[in-house]
Amino acid sequence: ILNVEQSPQSLHVQEGDSTNFTCSFPSSNFYALHWYRWETAKSPEALFVMTLNGDEKKKGRISATLNTKEGYSYLYIKGSQPEDSATYLCAFCNFNKFYFGSGTKLNVKP
Amino acid sequence: DTEVTQTPKHLVMGMTNKKSLKCEQHMGHRAMYWYKQKAKKPPELMFVYSYEKLSINESVPSRFSPECPNSSLLNLHLHALQPEDSALYLCASSQDGTGAGANVLTFGAGSRLTVL
Repeated sequence: ILNVEQSPQSLHVQEGDSTNFTCSFPSSNFYALHWYRWETAKSPEALFVMTLNGDEKKKGRISATLNTKEGYSYLYIKGSQPEDSATYLCAFCNFNKFYFGSGTKLNVKP
Repeated sequence: DTEVTQTPKHLVMGMTNKKSLKCEQHMGHRAMYWYKQKAKKPPELMFVYSYEKLSINESVPSRFSPECPNSSLLNLHLHALQPEDSALYLCASSQDGTGAGANVLTFGAGSRLTVL
């Protein structure tokens, strides 16, 4: 079983704050790194799929970076809104298996 | 249709019961997955079906029995479960399961199982 670590475990921010969290994964046998957003009582939804070292992806106010050599990815949210409140999961893909982190639970207060 | 539908949403069963969880997708995806998630833990892979054949079994106890009747359906048959099997069971699908990590997983909302 591969170890995928996410930090922090939870985060409380005010509306308008920018925030970021980390996903750490093994630096060997890398295929891809996925980020998912999971709102309570809903299905996890894919945010980004990142495959190349140095990849940067952006979707609206959310962006992510990838460093496969040192085994980490950052997720950034600019100007957090209450609707960004969710658990953000990363998944390290090793050939045909996905190994998930425990997630970062973000709460954005109005 | 871009959804994965899981039924039931909630299931309570005794240790001697036999029940099933169901998962359905109509996106033409050829890989389907069962994950188990306990509170504050990462989702753990249980089974992967690729082109309707079981391709990965992560040493799951035989009291969990997966079935893939066709490319749109995935079942998880439950028998003689233990209280520690209580968890959220997530189904997911992807375009295929042939090792491309770029295949995004589309998840259902999960079935919350409680074993008494």
